[in-house]
Amino acid sequence: DQQVKQNSPSLSVQEGRISILNCDYTNSMFDYFLWYKKYPAEGPTFLISISSIKDKNEDGRFTVFLNKSAKHLSLHIVPSQPGDSAVYFCAATSGTYKYIFGTGTRLKVLA
Amino acid sequence: KAGVTQTPRYLIKTRGQQVTLSCSPISGHRSVSWYQQTPGQGLQFLFEYFSETQRNKGNFPGRFSGRQFSNSRSEMNVSTLELGDSALYLCASSLSGANVLTFGAGSRLTVL
Repeated sequence: DQQVKQNSPSLSVQEGRISILNCDYTNSMFDYFLWYKKYPAEGPTFLISISSIKDKNEDGRFTVFLNKSAKHLSLHIVPSQPGDSAVYFCAATSGTYKYIFGTGTRLKVLA
Repeated sequence: KAGVTQTPRYLIKTRGQQVTLSCSPISGHRSVSWYQQTPGQGLQFLFEYFSETQRNKGNFPGRFSGRQFSNSRSEMNVSTLELGDSALYLCASSLSGANVLTFGAGSRLTVL
């Protein structure tokens, strides 16, 4: 049972435009969510997180939105840059020291 | 500050063999988690250790085991390797396990 789902395996966006990556979850006990970015041959690197007590968190070009009633979160990247091309994973935890990751979305930013 | 170090980076084994992977966490981080990444499956949680104790375990068979040493370094072992064990094995460390995870570059295992 995939508790965290990223239904879009890939996404292409023009440089300078907005990239929106989506993530859905099924476990209502999740209270902390994170986004990671992964380049080939490297480990995932942390991008941004959000607690369930918030509905938005911003860090520079990256904004994460959380809709608890829909059990949905999204990552917005504005403006998108070619260096943002990578695989993006969302992850969730309910404080059990176990993070559940989605299957990832491959973002390609076209110059 | 040195990051999370995983060794070896690449290895090839044959079915039936066993393998041990090593992870050195960031200095001061006491929690170490292990994940398996395969195409289409994302990152699957294997187990998490804190102060030499396994606090949580994923849904993997008993062939997958791990341990943590007093200096927080961790090892995972896979016995009786199967073709399906071919994957990227990622180790992550954090201060307590309930914080942001910092990942190593991974150990890519190929089973022939």
